[in-house]
Amino acid sequence: DAGVIQSPRHEVTEMGQEVTLRCKPISGHNSLFWYRQTMMRGLELLIYFNNNVPIDDSGMPEDRFSAKMPNASFSTLKIQPSEPRDSAVYFCASSLSSGRYGLITDTQYFGPGTRLTVL
Amino acid sequence: GENVEQHPSTLSVQEGDSAVIKCTYSDSASNYFPWYKQELGKRPQLIIDIRSNVGEKKDQRIAVTLNKTAKHFSLHITETQPEDSAVYFCAARDSSYKLIFGSGTRLLVRP
Repeated sequence: DAGVIQSPRHEVTEMGQEVTLRCKPISGHNSLFWYRQTMMRGLELLIYFNNNVPIDDSGMPEDRFSAKMPNASFSTLKIQPSEPRDSAVYFCASSLSSGRYGLITDTQYFGPGTRLTVL
Repeated sequence: GENVEQHPSTLSVQEGDSAVIKCTYSDSASNYFPWYKQELGKRPQLIIDIRSNVGEKKDQRIAVTLNKTAKHFSLHITETQPEDSAVYFCAARDSSYKLIFGSGTRLLVRP
């Protein structure tokens, strides 16, 4: 198994530009998580999908952030417009979940992350 | 919501010594406690986890203990090696799905 795949691995952009991060979860996993990691705030959960449906997006910082999961093997996190304070490492993780709304989640496996720098 | 505190923030030990990292949580409904290791520039990787129906779990040089009454859990690494140097994160999952992470412990194993 290739594990969770993220692209790009590095992204440098200018303030105001649109940024799209991509994630392919582990095959067979039905839950997908987007995290942001910074020195100041540590690891923060941004949004969680179960069976391609967004369950909780309360961690999404602003309306500039949006996420989609059009099918079980692909998700995107978009920032529009980007700002310097969005600079961080963005991780995608997947797991196998059960129970109502997939709330009983098993081990989360992280992708390699996307290092985003907004100038 | 759940709150996880992790100590110490940095830990330096001599190779061969033991290292202990401690975490406390606030939500008594939390039932799953994983530990992740993150090397510089890499992804967090699960090294061990424990569920609330177990008090201790061991995997070679790594062990985790859980005290549900006191709401704390600890990671123990014995016979430390330089390759153990990394940032270690504890996490707790409460009655919902969210994993709440501690702030991390930077472990340095001196050769």
